[in-house]
Amino acid sequence: GENVEQHPSTLSVQEGDSAVIKCTYSDSASNYFPWYKQELGKRPQLIIDIRSNVGEKKDQRIAVTLNKTAKHFSLHITETQPEDSAVYFCAASKNSGYSTLTFGKGTMLLVSP
Amino acid sequence: DVKVTQSSRYLVKRTGEKVFLECVQDMDHENMFWYRQDPGLGLRLIYFSYDVKMKEKGDIPEGYSVSREKKERFSLILESASTNQTSMYLCASSSPPGQGANVLTFGAGSRLTVL
Repeated sequence: GENVEQHPSTLSVQEGDSAVIKCTYSDSASNYFPWYKQELGKRPQLIIDIRSNVGEKKDQRIAVTLNKTAKHFSLHITETQPEDSAVYFCAASKNSGYSTLTFGKGTMLLVSP
Repeated sequence: DVKVTQSSRYLVKRTGEKVFLECVQDMDHENMFWYRQDPGLGLRLIYFSYDVKMKEKGDIPEGYSVSREKKERFSLILESASTNQTSMYLCASSSPPGQGANVLTFGAGSRLTVL
């Protein structure tokens, strides 16, 4: 089955800095890669996703890049703000049939004012 | 506005008790999932269901069972709770492929403590 590795497990940055979280996956058939954000005490919510026919996707201050050859994808957050502090999860799946998401172990991002 | 509702936010049970965790979604989603969340281990899939009466094992099904008698309701059952099942349990639902495939909507979670 799919295995998703996520690094780092914790990340501390100063407000205004950029943050990068990296994930690798094992199943070359995976073609859907979402990122979920979980604020303290709240439910995980999708913030951005990318499919394998796209190399990069941006939404305001967040972007995701995908390298299918190397089987890794990354989340980039620019101009970080304290409200970006949360746990971020990457995931991977095949976007067909009855496939399920396999999640990474999460990255706790702390943005200090 | 809440779309996935978990009936219990906090439960405390004793070892050996039978535990029911209930989840209801109002989005007419076919797919429903139960995940377990533990610090440092991320979200691990326990069971999932793509249709009424249907269930499939996820990555860590041991010690759990599920029930899906109606499309909107997916229940997680711990037949005999053990201390290593102390955890946060998250229910989620999604549309089938082709309709926002695999975009999960999560419930608020049920934190279970087994003494």
